[in-house]
Amino acid sequence: AQSVSQHNHHVILSEAASLELGCNYSYGGTVNLFWYVQYPGQHLQLLLKYFSGDPLVKGIKGFEAEFIKSKFSFNLRKPSVQWSDTAEYFCAVSGAGSYQLTFGKGTKLSVIP
Amino acid sequence: KAGVTQTPRYLIKTRGQQVTLSCSPISGHRSVSWYQQTPGQGLQFLFEYFSETQRNKGNFPGRFSGRQFSNSRSEMNVSTLELGDSALYLCASSLTGVGEKLFFGSGTQLSVL
Repeated sequence: AQSVSQHNHHVILSEAASLELGCNYSYGGTVNLFWYVQYPGQHLQLLLKYFSGDPLVKGIKGFEAEFIKSKFSFNLRKPSVQWSDTAEYFCAVSGAGSYQLTFGKGTKLSVIP
Repeated sequence: KAGVTQTPRYLIKTRGQQVTLSCSPISGHRSVSWYQQTPGQGLQFLFEYFSETQRNKGNFPGRFSGRQFSNSRSEMNVSTLELGDSALYLCASSLTGVGEKLFFGSGTQLSVL
């Protein structure tokens, strides 16, 4: 069975600080990887995704993530966070060809102005 | 283009009752999946439908069921409600559902008393 582990439950940063949110997954095959974000009062929305090719993927709002196959990791990064990045971030994985998306428990990010 | 619509937005039920939640996907989307979101467990996959067929089911008891209609609208039903069923139930749609970007609705907040 596939599983996703997000290391941090709650991260608090000051504006302009750099961000890295950890995500490790467990799955014995080819995977598709995603980061979703839920801003306060809004729907879950896709931040970025990795299917194949370049392991460094760029998403919306300056976010990027790196797939490291040997470490089963897909960490999310942003060089300089803004107050508007305050949200909950979810890492998710699906097996290639699977109809099921497995989410991590989420990391709440609070950015202090 | 209208987003994913879930009704009702809030529901209060008592133990033992049953409940039906509705989801209207984005026009043209044929895949609908359902997730249960709780503070302790995060987002957990319930099931996924495509063209009226359930293609995958998560690890939930048989009290949780669903269906999809020919217009891609979907309903999920929970029978014999338990206190632990209190959660936010999210619906997501996509064109084909296979490793795609999911579009989420606002959810139905179910409280079981």
